[in-house]
Amino acid sequence: DTAVSQTPKYLVTQMGNDKSIKCEQNLGHDTMYWYKQDSKKFLKIMFSYNNKELIINETVPNRFSPKSPDKAHLNLHINSLELGDSAVYFCASSQGMGHRGNIQYFGAGTRLSVL
Amino acid sequence: AQSVAQPEDQVNVAEGNPLTVKCTYSVSGNPYLFWYVQYPNRGLQFLLKYITGDNLVKGSYGFEAEFNKSQTSFHLKKPSALVSDSALYFCAVRPGGNKLVFGAGTILRVKS
Repeated sequence: DTAVSQTPKYLVTQMGNDKSIKCEQNLGHDTMYWYKQDSKKFLKIMFSYNNKELIINETVPNRFSPKSPDKAHLNLHINSLELGDSAVYFCASSQGMGHRGNIQYFGAGTRLSVL
Repeated sequence: AQSVAQPEDQVNVAEGNPLTVKCTYSVSGNPYLFWYVQYPNRGLQFLLKYITGDNLVKGSYGFEAEFNKSQTSFHLKKPSALVSDSALYFCAVRPGGNKLVFGAGTILRVKS
């Protein structure tokens, strides 16, 4: 069973559209994340949720809205998509907020292409 | 700000030779350092971490990393490279809280 799963794997859409990416983890973790990997492979944190509460929001445009219906899910909704949103989005999870040594487990990524 | 730097965009090595992927860090306080690997079209996989203790950390797939406080480095090493080790390698630091701050990544190419 996949530990951290994201859907869809690929997403091609037009500028101005609204889209969602879903993430689920079956590891029993209490913390989930969204990272963005740009075309140069640079990875940066976007959001983090702990027990459904937002704990990290890294100057991401308001068009991006994460939603965590429960500890096992963290979805990412993007409004009014722009060309610059094209990237690979990775979901991750870990256990134990505040434990700096805990390991984050990543999903396979969602490649978003905005045309 | 706490950060890591990976000075090499790409490292090329022949199969069977030792490999080193470099990482230097800039942190205040005790560093929490990680190495992840990304295979093509895959997510990141954890390789190893340094929290405290022994400066030589052993991880998955025969990789190890050496923490050097005086040189503020955390280089990833493997005694004998395999073609299947070819991938994108990320060094990361956890400055506090839960986020990981990644380096720019280093492409490792192992040729047979």
